[in-house]
Amino acid sequence: DTEVTQTPKHLVMGMTNKKSLKCEQHMGHRAMYWYKQKAKKPPELMFVYSYEKLSINESVPSRFSPECPNSSLLNLHLHALQPEDSALYLCASSPYHGAGANTGELFFGEGSRLTVL
Amino acid sequence: KNEVEQSPQNLTAQEGEFITINCSYSVGISALHWLQQHPGGGIVSLFMLSSGKKKHGRLIATINIQEKHSSLHITASHPRDSAVYICAVAPSPGRGTSGSRLTFGEGTQLTVNP
Repeated sequence: DTEVTQTPKHLVMGMTNKKSLKCEQHMGHRAMYWYKQKAKKPPELMFVYSYEKLSINESVPSRFSPECPNSSLLNLHLHALQPEDSALYLCASSPYHGAGANTGELFFGEGSRLTVL
Repeated sequence: KNEVEQSPQNLTAQEGEFITINCSYSVGISALHWLQQHPGGGIVSLFMLSSGKKKHGRLIATINIQEKHSSLHITASHPRDSAVYICAVAPSPGRGTSGSRLTFGEGTQLTVNP
C-alpha cells in the first residue's frame, strides 16, 4: 500500500464551524506533513510530525490545530476559519525526518479542497 | 530571486514530442524532487535525485550538482502527461534547517495536444 488517503475530498464550512481534515498512511512512514496550496501556487508547509510529535509549525494561526493520534493518522482541526483560508490542503508522508536529513521520497494525498464561506 | 527557478513557466507540445523542463537552484541541497500535479488533484512524486540520472518509463530526470541544475525529460509525450510539474529541493545538512522544509519552484504547466 503506497497511498496517502485524505478525507473529505471537498469541504465547505462557515466561519463559525468546527471541522476536521483526516489523513492516513500505512507505509510505516515516520514523518507526516500538512501543506496548504492556493490556486496556481506551490504548496506551503504548515506542520511536520516526526514520530507522532510536532516537529515543525511554520507559524500557522491557531485556528488550525494539528493532531497525530498514531503513526498512521494525521488530523487537521479547523475552527473559526477565514475566507482566505480557502485552499487545497495536502497531506504527505515520508520515511524519515530530521534536522538536516534527507526525508526520503515524499508521498502526497489527493488533497482536501476547503471552501470557507 | 527565488531559490528555485523553473523554466519554462508554460509549455505546449504536440503529442509525440520530446519535452524538457528545467530547474535551477541557488542553495546547497541534499536531494531534489520532481513532482507532478494534475488539475484540481493531488501531487505525485516522480523522482527524488541526489546525483546522476533516473529513468522511469518515458520520464528521465538528471541532476548536475556542480551546476545546481536539474532537468526533467518526457519522451514520446502524450495528452495524459498534461499537468503541472514542480521541482522542489531539500536543503543540505548544516544549513540549520530540516530536510523536511522543501523549497518549491513555481511549477511548469505542460499541455500536450493530440
